[in-house]
Amino acid sequence: RKEVEQDPGPFNVPEGATVAFNCTYSNSASQSFFWYRQDCRKEPKLLMSVYSSGNEDGRFTAQLNRASQYISLLIRDSKLSDSATYLCVVTHSGAGSYQLTFGKGTKLSVIP
Amino acid sequence: EAQVTQNPRYLITVTGKKLTVTCSQNMNHEYMSWYRQDPGLGLRQIYYSMNVEVTDKGDVPEGYKVSRKEKRNFPLILESPSPNQTSLYFCASSLMKGPTQYFGPGTRLTVL
Repeated sequence: RKEVEQDPGPFNVPEGATVAFNCTYSNSASQSFFWYRQDCRKEPKLLMSVYSSGNEDGRFTAQLNRASQYISLLIRDSKLSDSATYLCVVTHSGAGSYQLTFGKGTKLSVIP
Repeated sequence: EAQVTQNPRYLITVTGKKLTVTCSQNMNHEYMSWYRQDPGLGLRQIYYSMNVEVTDKGDVPEGYKVSRKEKRNFPLILESPSPNQTSLYFCASSLMKGPTQYFGPGTRLTVL
């Protein structure tokens, strides 16, 4: 069974704080990993891909630990505009198939 | 402008009345998919298509049909809607196994 688990939060943090989210996945054959961001009542949008070596995009850092089957997202110097729900996404493919499984999301509220 | 469009954006209907939600993308993407999003359950994949005339079930296909006669269009069909299909529906497209799923703006469906 494919599962992607996230702490739903909410995480309420002050501006400027550093916050980290984790996500665990159950299928060891999962191949690709992403973080998406979803604002209230809007469509999800890709935030960043997650690579085994870890990757950084400005204030955002993503890490993948295949052995422990979890991925993480670190946000430094939080801004009010970072308030959103963050979705962990895992892909699986096989002969003639390619599916994405989304976590239920972690809600972040950055407070002035 | 590169985009995924869905119509209608909002729909209220009654049990048993067949309906179709259209999805169209202008990015020449091979992969298209439909998701439903429900509180506490997150985004769940209904159906996906890897190319024209190639469709496959996602995690929650019951009560839905799809077709992919043209590359740009991927309509979602509810032959006999029921109240448990009340949900927020998203269509998405991407290059085959590409990192970015481009989501449409969503269709909020209520079945009475």
